[in-house]
Amino acid sequence: DAGVIQSPRHEVTEMGQEVTLRCKPISGHNSLFWYRQTMMRGLELLIYFNNNVPIDDSGMPEDRFSAKMPNASFSTLKIQPSEPRDSAVYFCASSFLEETQYFGPGTRLLVL
Amino acid sequence: EDQVTQSPEALRLQEGESSSLNCSYTVSGLRGLFWYRQDPGKGPEFLFTLYSAGEEKEKERLKATLTKKESFLHITAPKPEDSATYLCAVQTSGTYKYIFGTGTRLKVLA
Repeated sequence: DAGVIQSPRHEVTEMGQEVTLRCKPISGHNSLFWYRQTMMRGLELLIYFNNNVPIDDSGMPEDRFSAKMPNASFSTLKIQPSEPRDSAVYFCASSFLEETQYFGPGTRLLVL
Repeated sequence: EDQVTQSPEALRLQEGESSSLNCSYTVSGLRGLFWYRQDPGKGPEFLFTLYSAGEEKEKERLKATLTKKESFLHITAPKPEDSATYLCAVQTSGTYKYIFGTGTRLKVLA
């Protein structure tokens, strides 16, 4: 069974550009999580969905960040406009209800 | 405030030299404690879940234990392939959210 799939794996963009990160959760999982990982702050939860509905977005840094989950097999995290301080690795994870979260390989974002 | 602290930040061991990593937590109500392994350039890989004090889980050279305030990840006779960052996360009751520690970077030398 395929794990969590993320794309792109690497993204380099210029400040001010829109960035869209994509995630396909494990089939059958109904919870999806977006994390950001940096050396300074470690893994931080940005937002999570349950049954495609955003439950907690308190970790979203500011209005430049938005996330959607239009169906059970797809989610996006969008940054518009991007800034150099958004450079980080962004992970998507999925779980069934409150059970163990399984992580994707991450998207390494560099904003110049 | 819920908090998770891991120590040490970094650890260098000789191959075969056993040691333990610590994860201390302060939460209002613990639903579960999770250990993950993360290799460079990859996502965290699930290792163990512990739910109650006194519980232990084992996998190859790794053994995780849990008390009411902390968890230990014991590494017995480590090999160079055990080199990775080990992350601890806690999940509080009534929520799906994890709170992660900052990890322990383990390097095992041949």
